[in-house]
Amino acid sequence: GENVEQHPSTLSVQEGDSAVIKCTYSDSASNYFPWYKQELGKRPQLIIDIRSNVGEKKDQRIAVTLNKTAKHFSLHITETQPEDSAVYFCAARGLQGSARQLTFGSGTQLTVLP
Amino acid sequence: KAGVTQTPRYLIKTRGQQVTLSCSPISGHRSVSWYQQTPGQGLQFLFEYFSETQRNKGNFPGRFSGRQFSNSRSEMNVSTLELGDSALYLCASSLDGGNTEAFFGQGTRLTVV
Repeated sequence: GENVEQHPSTLSVQEGDSAVIKCTYSDSASNYFPWYKQELGKRPQLIIDIRSNVGEKKDQRIAVTLNKTAKHFSLHITETQPEDSAVYFCAARGLQGSARQLTFGSGTQLTVLP
Repeated sequence: KAGVTQTPRYLIKTRGQQVTLSCSPISGHRSVSWYQQTPGQGLQFLFEYFSETQRNKGNFPGRFSGRQFSNSRSEMNVSTLELGDSALYLCASSLDGGNTEAFFGQGTRLTVV
């Protein structure tokens, strides 16, 4: 089955700096890669996603890049703010059989220091 | 429209008991997936239901089971509870379980004592 590895597990940045979280996946058939943000005590919420026919996607201060050849994708947050502090999860999903499930990375605790 | 609703929010059970958790998906969503979230293991996939059929199953023992009703509501059952089953159980619904957004419920916090 799919295996998703996420790094780093913790990340501290100064307010206004950029943050980058990286994930690798094992199943070359995976074609959907969402990122979720989970604030303390709350449900995970989708912040951005990318499909395998696209190399990069941006939404204001958030961007995701995908390298299908290397099987890795990254989340970039620019001009970080204290409210960006949360746990971020990457995930991968394929289209067929057992690959249809969303397989999550282990999460990154992002702390934005004021 | 209403989001994904999970009940109950909190549950305390004793070892050996069984428990049933409920998940009501967003209206029109036919796929419901269940995840176990623990501090050390992240989000672990339990199973996915689509149109009342289990379509995928994760690597959990047979004590974990589920079902889906014709209105897409889903239940998850854990029998013979163990201390290690203490976790946050999250369900997520999506239109068809494909490359569309999965929306999570608030979760059920299960504590086994």
